[in-house]
Amino acid sequence: EPEVTQTPSHQVTQMGQEVILRCVPISNHLYFYWYRQILGQKVEFLVSFYNNEISEKSEIFDDQFSVERPDGSNFTLKIRSTKLEDSAMYFCASGPPLTSRTDTQYFGPGTRLTVL
Amino acid sequence: GQSLEQPSEVTAVEGAIVQINCTYQTSGFYGLSWYQQHDGGAPTFLSYNGLDGLEETGRFSSFLSRSDSYGYLLLQELQMKDSASYFCAVITGRRALTFGSGTRLQVQP
Repeated sequence: EPEVTQTPSHQVTQMGQEVILRCVPISNHLYFYWYRQILGQKVEFLVSFYNNEISEKSEIFDDQFSVERPDGSNFTLKIRSTKLEDSAMYFCASGPPLTSRTDTQYFGPGTRLTVL
Repeated sequence: GQSLEQPSEVTAVEGAIVQINCTYQTSGFYGLSWYQQHDGGAPTFLSYNGLDGLEETGRFSSFLSRSDSYGYLLLQELQMKDSASYFCAVITGRRALTFGSGTRLQVQP
């Protein structure tokens, strides 16, 4: 069964450094998302991406964040100058074309980002 | 903005039935989804309701009442492996998921 993959599984960085989190969505999906989950808390929406542009972003997704789909398979989240509070699990998700019956997002295994 | 409320913890025994309720306040409501998350794992899609009524998928069912801004997830024939956190999530018109805080289900033998 096709699945979303993410690399790396764990990233440790120093405060102020830039990180790039990588995702390979399911191949025939059209919608791509990034979410984050701080330890012990709920999953929070960051950004959605469709047709090569951002379709929606949350308040969390400020100027330090950016997303890219550099080729036909990868979807990346860049955090420009990491802060301690960026430490979280970052999940990539992808979704197939909409149908009237269901709306499903498939999540990758996540990248645990630790900012020191 | 959006807000969702669900119980923080539920405990049940193997073989039992448990219902996890979710109430929400949101604008631009498109549908309600349910996700399961085991400790250290990723959210896994369980069920989706875009219209009022009951959706059944094996041991899991989900219900939505749009007029009451209310839904629930029903888990039947509970198994130990069902011990996990369960999140309701509203979908807005642009498909972003807004998650509730999650209900931790503990299944006891």
